[in-house]
Amino acid sequence: DTGVSQDPRHKITKRGQNVTFRCDPISEHNRLYWYRQTLGQGPEFLTYFQNEAQLEKSRLLSDRFSAERPKGSFSTLEIQRTEQGDSAMYLCASSLYEQYFGPGTRLTVT
Amino acid sequence: RKEVEQDPGPFNVPEGATVAFNCTYSNSASQSFFWYRQDCRKEPKLLMSVYSSGNEDGRFTAQLNRASQYISLLIRDSKLSDSATYLCVVGGHGSSNTGKLIFGQGTTLQVKP
Repeated sequence: DTGVSQDPRHKITKRGQNVTFRCDPISEHNRLYWYRQTLGQGPEFLTYFQNEAQLEKSRLLSDRFSAERPKGSFSTLEIQRTEQGDSAMYLCASSLYEQYFGPGTRLTVT
Repeated sequence: RKEVEQDPGPFNVPEGATVAFNCTYSNSASQSFFWYRQDCRKEPKLLMSVYSSGNEDGRFTAQLNRASQYISLLIRDSKLSDSATYLCVVGGHGSSNTGKLIFGQGTTLQVKP
């Protein structure tokens, strides 16, 4: 499968715990994006990497959120001290020109 | 005001019907325009890019009106398999042009037999 992959697909955690998600982009894609989608809404932009450089962060990305893309390959998104409002689908996309999305990680914070 | 506005629907149509979706966007500096399709609990998938000249892909026709900041999608001869949420998407904002996408809320289509 040469598409974007994300792991885990589902995560249930208790409020206050830290979680980390992984995204593996399509191999030749230098651009990588993270989005968040809540029920009934379209995805909202969180952050953007070109190769290993994080070039844009949304104001939605509070200081509890951090993202990395070491060596310009896979990326991780970490949420510290999770809150119930963090419950959402976290989508990763990669592109050369058009963006292709991974299957997402569904986070539930109890 | 949302940057990309769509009527969330739902649009309930019989098989074979023609249905049109519209959306408006607020940032006149936007440079790229798309329709994505999203099935329930799945990731968004690119349906088609949208150009000012209009473009057609089989039963699907998309149109962009930059002056009115308006994007449309027309689906002819609806199939049961067209049932999904259609997301109006705008990108390419500003001089940095990171390519981030701004999504509308989505319009839900249900095609019935």
